[in-house]
Amino acid sequence: EAGVTQFPSHSVIEKGQTVTLRCDPISGHDNLYWYRRVMGKEIKFLLHFVKESKQDESGMPNNRFLAERTGGTYSTLKVQPAELEDSGVYFCASSQDGTSGAGELFFGEGSRLTVL
Amino acid sequence: AQSVTQLGSHVSVSEGALVLLRCNYSSSVPPYLFWYVQYPNQGLQLLLKYTSAATLVKGINGFEAEFKKSETSFHLTKPSAHMSDAAEYFCAVRYYRDDKIIFGKGTRLHILP
Repeated sequence: EAGVTQFPSHSVIEKGQTVTLRCDPISGHDNLYWYRRVMGKEIKFLLHFVKESKQDESGMPNNRFLAERTGGTYSTLKVQPAELEDSGVYFCASSQDGTSGAGELFFGEGSRLTVL
Repeated sequence: AQSVTQLGSHVSVSEGALVLLRCNYSSSVPPYLFWYVQYPNQGLQLLLKYTSAATLVKGINGFEAEFKKSETSFHLTKPSAHMSDAAEYFCAVRYYRDDKIIFGKGTRLHILP
C-alpha cells in the first residue's frame, strides 16, 4: 500500500513567486494534515481537513497560504506570494480516524521550500 | 499555553550505551503522547504512543517510554544504542477534544562508535 506522497521534494523560488505543494494521502484516509518546520524550530500545525472540509485552520500563518482538498482526495498548499520566512519543510500527514482516540498520523517525506 | 518540551536539541551516546531522550508536557490532564522518529531523507515514523492503557509503552526498534503523571514526563529510552538509531526524535502530544498533534522541537541523536 502506498504511503503519503508529497511533491515536489524540494522547491527553490524567489521572493514574490508562487509555489504549490501537493500531498496525496493514503487511500481511504479522510483526515489530512499540513505541518511546517522552519529551520531549528518545532514542527507546527497548519491545518486539518476532514474529507474536503477544513476542520481546523488555526495554524495557517496568513492569507498568503491557501490549502485546498477538492473531492476529498489529494490536497494542495499554495503560497502566494512567497516570502523569505516561508522557507522550511512542509509535511503532510493523513489518518483514517483523525487524532481522536490517539489515532496515528502517517507522514510524507516532506516538501522542502527555499525562498531566496 | 499547552506545549511539549524536549530537553537537549542534540544528544550523543556511545554505541551500546543507554539512550535517554527527555520530554515534558504541560497539562493538568494526561494527554495522548507520542514519539516520532525521522531518519535522514525520510518522513516521520511513529515509534510509540501512550493512550492511558499502560504507563510503560513499548515501541519499535527496542525503544520504550514511561508516562509519569507526577513529573508530567514521557521520556524515551533504549537500553543499548545502535548506529542505526542515529536520527531526529520528536515528542508529540494531543490534548483531549483537540484534533491536532503538537510537536516538540526535536532531539537529534548521535551515536558514537
